[in-house]
Amino acid sequence: QKEVEQNSGPLSVPEGAIASLNCTYSDRGSQSFFWYRQYSGKSPELIMSIYSNGDKEDGRFTAQLNKASQYVSLLIRDSQPSDSATYLCAVERGFKTIFGAGTRLFVKA
Amino acid sequence: DVKVTQSSRYLVKRTGEKVFLECVQDMDHENMFWYRQDPGLGLRLIYFSYDVKMKEKGDIPEGYSVSREKKERFSLILESASTNQTSMYLCASSSPSSGTEFSGNTIYFGEGSWLTVV
Repeated sequence: QKEVEQNSGPLSVPEGAIASLNCTYSDRGSQSFFWYRQYSGKSPELIMSIYSNGDKEDGRFTAQLNKASQYVSLLIRDSQPSDSATYLCAVERGFKTIFGAGTRLFVKA
Repeated sequence: DVKVTQSSRYLVKRTGEKVFLECVQDMDHENMFWYRQDPGLGLRLIYFSYDVKMKEKGDIPEGYSVSREKKERFSLILESASTNQTSMYLCASSSPSSGTEFSGNTIYFGEGSWLTVV
């Protein structure tokens, strides 16, 4: 079992819709959780971080964390074609940050 | 602005060569990392360092070594390059997330080094 698992996709949504990206992790000792966005040929950049159970909102993005279920999600409201990218879930444990393989998102105009 | 610089963007090396990948960060971060990224496998941690001259193995350290003589510089060394080390290598550094709520350590990535071993 991988430490951080994501559906590889691709996930395709129409412009203006809500995109829902999911991630599970195996280590209950994990402390902090992140979503990174990576455009093709570019390096990942941070979108959201979350530490406590519940929801955290930042503009069109909402991160959700459920430590009991070992589940993290990212909702993107009013999806735009510019949101088309690979989204990486990352989990921090001590000094290490472990990444999932990423979910490819396509937003159709 | 946050800056992690990888000096070599594209390299082609021969099997058996020794390869150095250099990384410099200007943010005074304690932690630095080397990842490799391959299709379908995502980002895998090779080595990390939480202080000068300190290093820890990540998930795939075999065939690699690292050096951190100065806080801002973290080098990845392929002692004898092999074709299965053809990949994109990402250097990163980290700091605690900003804001009122602690949310872990944000990782900042360099632009990546594309290495082909022939």
